[in-house]
Amino acid sequence: EADIYQTPRYLVIGTGKKITLECSQTMGHDKMYWYQQDPGMELHLIHYSYGVNSTEKGDLSSESTVSRIRTEHFPLTLESARPSHTSQYLCASSEESSGSGYEQYFGPGTRLTVT
Amino acid sequence: AQSVSQHNHHVILSEAASLELGCNYSYGGTVNLFWYVQYPGQHLQLLLKYFSGDPLVKGIKGFEAEFIKSKFSFNLRKPSVQWSDTAEYFCAALSYNTDKLIFGTGTRLQVFP
Repeated sequence: EADIYQTPRYLVIGTGKKITLECSQTMGHDKMYWYQQDPGMELHLIHYSYGVNSTEKGDLSSESTVSRIRTEHFPLTLESARPSHTSQYLCASSEESSGSGYEQYFGPGTRLTVT
Repeated sequence: AQSVSQHNHHVILSEAASLELGCNYSYGGTVNLFWYVQYPGQHLQLLLKYFSGDPLVKGIKGFEAEFIKSKFSFNLRKPSVQWSDTAEYFCAALSYNTDKLIFGTGTRLQVFP
């Protein structure tokens, strides 16, 4: 089982609140990712990082922001939550291994509900 | 735009039936291909992957997939499913050009005893 953790697992919060979703991994991976997944839909990449102090926006536009101050930690923040942010958020990490393919390891996800 | 298509959205099978889930990708260049599985309440985890070599790859729990470059396909197969295979299955492709993993919409598999 991969050593990648997300907290909280479930969060119900009111509109306008600031929230931070935590993600940490103990594998020393440089690359980390945040995906958004709605029920019955594909995963959409919203943020990624290639290492400390590196952050990029993904393919799906998101009002969230991320930071990467430490290799093992990649938190996602919503400054003002809205009902449209209700979704599941998955964190992943990967190592560059051209000899064996680029496998991403996923955390358990945070299911966010904004009321 | 690069994309991954899974044509079976919901599959219902009885135990011991054979399974084949379709996956097609749109990339023309070098690509890594993956099948991930998400059991109810659990992490997304890797079933198998293809990056080079033998186009028939074997994964965990008796699953296998065949990479057919001419058809841009990477279908997942299992000769005899079990109730414990009930899960959501995602096909994904990583393009070396974009270095991003693109997922299909997923296939929900239900296996009844």
